[in-house]
Amino acid sequence: AQTVTQSQPEMSVQEAETVTLSCTYDTSESDYYLFWYKQPPSRQMILVIRQEAYKQQNATENRFSVNFQKAAKSFSLKISDSQLGDAAMYFCAYADNDMRFGAGTRLTVKP
Amino acid sequence: ETGVTQTPRHLVMGMTNKKSLKCEQHLGHNAMYWYKQSAKKPLELMFVYSLEERVENNSVPSRFSPECPNSSHLFLHLHTLQPEDSALYLCASSQDAGRGEITGELFFGEGSRLTVL
Repeated sequence: AQTVTQSQPEMSVQEAETVTLSCTYDTSESDYYLFWYKQPPSRQMILVIRQEAYKQQNATENRFSVNFQKAAKSFSLKISDSQLGDAAMYFCAYADNDMRFGAGTRLTVKP
Repeated sequence: ETGVTQTPRHLVMGMTNKKSLKCEQHLGHNAMYWYKQSAKKPLELMFVYSLEERVENNSVPSRFSPECPNSSHLFLHLHTLQPEDSALYLCASSQDAGRGEITGELFFGEGSRLTVL
């Protein structure tokens, strides 16, 4: 079974600074999808960014970008110019026939 | 209403009770999911319904019984639960490319916080 590992239970960043959240995964598949989801304190999880494994180019969505290293099975999320509203739990997810999530990283943003 | 709606938001039940969680999606999606979220653990996939047919149940205990009467509604029937079943239960929906294949975004509800006494 595919597993997703987030090695940082908690991270903090100063407002306006940059932070990188780590994620690794295990799979024998070559075609799959990777996601980062954000879960604010209100609990509704929302999609931050999505990456197709067949695409070499790293996905970017405004201040959010990923570093996708397929050979290393690594999928980190970089948040630039951090804002107070970025504070949340961040979940990395892997999908092919179903979606598997990591345990999450709690991000704190300091003013 | 839009998105994915879950009711109730909070539920407290005894080990001998029977209750149900309800999920409704207004997005026209063809797949719905139940996930269990416990503190400091990865989300656990419980059930997947694609085109109203269950395609995965991940060996969930029989005290959890899902029901998907149509593509917009999903229920999780609960009976004789254990205290360790206390968790946040999240419903999600997606538009799948094919049977059981997830290629796109999952849309989540706000969850039902379950406490089993």
